[in-house]
Amino acid sequence: NAGVMQNPRHLVRRRGQEARLRCSPMKGHSHVYWYRQLPEEGLKFMVYLQKENIIDESGMPKERFSAEFPKEGPSILRIQQVVRGDSAAYFCASSPLTGRASYEQYFGPGTRLTVT
Amino acid sequence: DQQVKQNSPSLSVQEGRISILNCDYTNSMFDYFLWYKKYPAEGPTFLISISSIKDKNEDGRFTVFLNKSAKHLSLHIVPSQPGDSAVYFCAVNTGNQFYFGTGTSLTVIP
Repeated sequence: NAGVMQNPRHLVRRRGQEARLRCSPMKGHSHVYWYRQLPEEGLKFMVYLQKENIIDESGMPKERFSAEFPKEGPSILRIQQVVRGDSAAYFCASSPLTGRASYEQYFGPGTRLTVT
Repeated sequence: DQQVKQNSPSLSVQEGRISILNCDYTNSMFDYFLWYKKYPAEGPTFLISISSIKDKNEDGRFTVFLNKSAKHLSLHIVPSQPGDSAVYFCAVNTGNQFYFGTGTSLTVIP
């Protein structure tokens, strides 16, 4: 009964490189949320996905960031041409349901991205 | 434009006493409120929630109070235990989105 898995746990990238963060939701969960936590700040919603669909990406920066949740495989958060300001902890959460029951979010341990 | 504010970054409490963590929000349209607990190097864990139609929800040692007129939410932990030492985030849910506060680091002193 594995929980939400994220890998890698730590990722170091030089400015201008690409970062790919993976999230495997809990078994049976078809809804995934991505959050970013900057130092000294709370978690900020980025994007909400269902299988093969982006439901709400209003929290995503307009450029360089993209997310997907394919029919098979993990959800991927992709950051192109990383900059130092992208350094943060990125958390993924999965949920079995939508609507009010979506408070049942189960978080992964996060990926800590460091841009040098 | 912080939608949810936790003005106390840290709190220390003696074991056995009550811990009170506070949270303020800005939008009176928010209708579902949650508390999460986070240990270092782990993701947040859901703790307790409350709907805007209620003013109190209790689960064991944890009670959440909602004051809609003041747009204020609080979490009471009694009695506090050393294992409660963690960062506590309040969050509000509206539609698809969750807004989180910046967290309060609770230390329970044995």
